[in-house]
Amino acid sequence: NAGVTQTPKFRILKIGQSMTLQCTQDMNHNYMYWYRQDPGMGLKLIYYSVGAGITDKGEVPNGYNVSRSTTEDFPLRLELAAPSQTSVYFCASSYHGPRGNSPLHFGNGTRLTVT
Amino acid sequence: QKEVEQNSGPLSVPEGAIASLNCTYSDRGSQSFFWYRQYSGKSPELIMFIYSNGDKEDGRFTAQLNKASQYVSLLIRDSQPSDSATYLCAVNEGTSYDKVIFGPGTSLSVIP
Repeated sequence: NAGVTQTPKFRILKIGQSMTLQCTQDMNHNYMYWYRQDPGMGLKLIYYSVGAGITDKGEVPNGYNVSRSTTEDFPLRLELAAPSQTSVYFCASSYHGPRGNSPLHFGNGTRLTVT
Repeated sequence: QKEVEQNSGPLSVPEGAIASLNCTYSDRGSQSFFWYRQYSGKSPELIMFIYSNGDKEDGRFTAQLNKASQYVSLLIRDSQPSDSATYLCAVNEGTSYDKVIFGPGTSLSVIP
């Protein structure tokens, strides 16, 4: 099994450009999450989803959008990129979610620079 | 805004010693608590989870939970240089149970 796959691994954007960070998992997990991690900091939750068709905001949703049309895919859309969105983005999935004490399985991350 | 706090460190311990990592959380309704380890430049990986008050042991790792005091800790016995990493505490929110938020992490350095 591939687990959680994120693409691209690296990306440089110019201010004002848009892009979609891809995340797909092959573990049939219902719960999926997007986090960002700034240098030397912890993870901040951007958006999460408890199943196909259901998404909800996390701690830092401004400037981002998500969709969950299938169980496997949870893309993160950046509109009008800003330097403050320079970060490492992690996608994660979980089978039962925290209520079922299911851990998060993380992808390898996407390192995004906005200049 | 619900918060999860950790000592930022860095925490330095000699090889073979016990490393103690602490985490406090603000949401009394939180039910599930996780410890992740993150090596530099890598993704977080689960060490263990705990949801009942008391201690939970897994090999050299012991998680301790005290819901009344709203803290969770991680003890690493017989610390090894390979334990040098950042340790992240994660908690689910008490109202949005499926929302998992992280603390800032504690950097641990085990000195040979």
